[in-house]
Amino acid sequence: NAGVTQTPKFQVLKTGQSMTLQCAQDMNHNSMYWYRQDPGMGLRLIYYSASEGTTDKGEVPNGYNVSRLNKREFSLRLESAAPSQTSVYFCASRGLAGLQQETQYFGPGTRLLVL
Amino acid sequence: KQEVTQIPAALSVPEGENLVLNCSFTDSAIYNLQWFRQDPGKGLTSLLLIQSSQREQTSGRLNASLDKSSGRSTLYIAASQPGDSATYLCAASVSGGSYIPTFGRGTSLIVHP
Repeated sequence: NAGVTQTPKFQVLKTGQSMTLQCAQDMNHNSMYWYRQDPGMGLRLIYYSASEGTTDKGEVPNGYNVSRLNKREFSLRLESAAPSQTSVYFCASRGLAGLQQETQYFGPGTRLLVL
Repeated sequence: KQEVTQIPAALSVPEGENLVLNCSFTDSAIYNLQWFRQDPGKGLTSLLLIQSSQREQTSGRLNASLDKSSGRSTLYIAASQPGDSATYLCAASVSGGSYIPTFGRGTSLIVHP
């Protein structure tokens, strides 16, 4: 049981390059989330997926796209990276609300530097 | 919009002290409140989750309380140890919708020997 896994752990991009951050969970959770964490700003929600086949914007979606590939996997894509997207990105998952699976579990993070 | 505030932003205490971390939220219609720990360069680890119908939860030396009417939660750490040094974050999920948690900015705790 690996929990929530993220790849890559660290990435350096040049402005304008694209990349996809991968996230997978093996807890059979319905909901998955992408956050970014910046000094002084805390955790901010980029996109989330309440269930397989659905995605919704969070607080800071501009410049990002997501795909809920199946129940296990939720990817985040930067189409044209900008220095403002330098951050630490966390993926998280959570079970169904109302059941005893509501704890949110986080991956180890991806550290992204855009030059 | 739910806003979550954590005070203090940073705290340094000697080993052995009992301490309290504070979390306040603006929308009292919360569904649950969760406390997390984050070590430097790592992801978040869940410590305790309190449902809106509960007043407190305990795990080992940790006790979290919830007072919806005043919009406050506290995390009590008993007999602090250097290994407790980390950043502690709280997150409040609002009833209805997709139960999206709103995070505070955290309290950075240092426990020195």
